[in-house]
Amino acid sequence: DGGITQSPKYLFRKEGQNVTLSCEQNLNHDAMYWYRQDPGQGLRLIYYSQIVNDFQKGDIAEGYSVSREKKESFPLTVTSAQKNPTAFYLCASSPRTSGIPFSYNEQFFGPGTRLTVL
Amino acid sequence: AQKVTQAQTEISVVEKEDVTLDCVYETRDTTYYLFWYKQPPSGELVFLIRRNSFDEQNEISGRYSWNFQKSTSSFNFTITASQVVDSAVYFCALTLYSGAGSYQLTFGKGTKLSVIP
Repeated sequence: DGGITQSPKYLFRKEGQNVTLSCEQNLNHDAMYWYRQDPGQGLRLIYYSQIVNDFQKGDIAEGYSVSREKKESFPLTVTSAQKNPTAFYLCASSPRTSGIPFSYNEQFFGPGTRLTVL
Repeated sequence: AQKVTQAQTEISVVEKEDVTLDCVYETRDTTYYLFWYKQPPSGELVFLIRRNSFDEQNEISGRYSWNFQKSTSSFNFTITASQVVDSAVYFCALTLYSGAGSYQLTFGKGTKLSVIP
């Protein structure tokens, strides 16, 4: 089945440690996104990538880093510089449609990773 | 400034009642897209509908319907004869120009709907 997988589902980290969240898609989508969700809040964009080896900062990129070495994969690293990393992290992807921005297309979401800093 | 406002934080209805979720947006763009997503307790967002700014026709899909009114910058979502399975958080979202030729999706804070049997 085509879709987006995120692992692990739950992640615990000690304060001061970096941690990497995995996101893989087999939908052959060009664009991929990382969002953060806090209780009672909407989704906020961390980073996005529209093509391999290229990515852009979203609204809350500080304390996070990403890479896009393969079309299928877009891992997110939460660094120790992120002041309040406990949150629910969602990865998404969207296809390319010639002539229109990626964000005009439907985004497909993974099941999310819940990160807790102890 | 908030670009997508979902004023209803939580709504509870009894099964079979109709319910409308409100969404008001703000944009200077003449071309834009609006979306609704559903987030069930499992956490994964599910796409419900996309509407572009040039298409003001109302949409109906089974028990779901959407009312898009540019004059009031609203894109409201109605569930008819609600069911327990409709219990979820619903997000309205808008594409916004973020500079350097890029657009991003901006979400409202969501409305938590609880359907009571």
